[in-house]
Amino acid sequence: GAGVSQTPSNKVTEKGKYVELRCDPISGHTALYWYRQSLGQGPEFLIYFQGTGAADDSGLPNDRFFAVRPEGSVSTLKIQRTERGDSAVYLCASSLGFVTDTQYFGPGTRLTVL
Amino acid sequence: AQTVTQSQPEMSVQEAETVTLSCTYDTSESDYYLFWYKQPPSRQMILVIRQEAYKQQNATENRFSVNFQKAAKSFSLKISDSQLGDAAMYFCACSQGGSEKLVFGKGMKLTVNP
Repeated sequence: GAGVSQTPSNKVTEKGKYVELRCDPISGHTALYWYRQSLGQGPEFLIYFQGTGAADDSGLPNDRFFAVRPEGSVSTLKIQRTERGDSAVYLCASSLGFVTDTQYFGPGTRLTVL
Repeated sequence: AQTVTQSQPEMSVQEAETVTLSCTYDTSESDYYLFWYKQPPSRQMILVIRQEAYKQQNATENRFSVNFQKAAKSFSLKISDSQLGDAAMYFCACSQGGSEKLVFGKGMKLTVNP
């Protein structure tokens, strides 16, 4: 079946602008995760949804970052007043949601803030 | 807090040979999961193998196997009969549950020479 998809694949924006990144999880997966991967680093956790609610948002770096998942499927990561330090690959993953389940990743969105 | 350390930033192996990638971790949890993910230039993280901490038997998946040393908090990946398609970044990761947030190491670049 279809895997996790993310749009856009690449996003270039100017400092101070607002951006939205979209994630479509695998059908039937109740858990959804956002990670951020800076150049030369491993992914870092941002936020985890179980259904429509954020079960853990401890990784969001500040209040410029916000994520929603209103219908328990598609999720949008929103970044306000972007800064050059926000440039990274933003990865989304989904899982069935049980403790033993594996996370499956999408191809990511490369965000470049000029 | 969990930490994952990959001390070798790069390795190379000849095609058809065997290579071992090292990883150490630290966690205060007694129930946790360990993973190796592969990230080719396409950016998509692909699960290679997973190990539940409560299982004493080392996980194997075809040419991939792990050496899980719980007391030493070591989790190395062995790739047998290396193929050109194995060339990628490899990330070691840990989570309290398979569906919980993943903590990644910094990654290791594997080159496979023909």
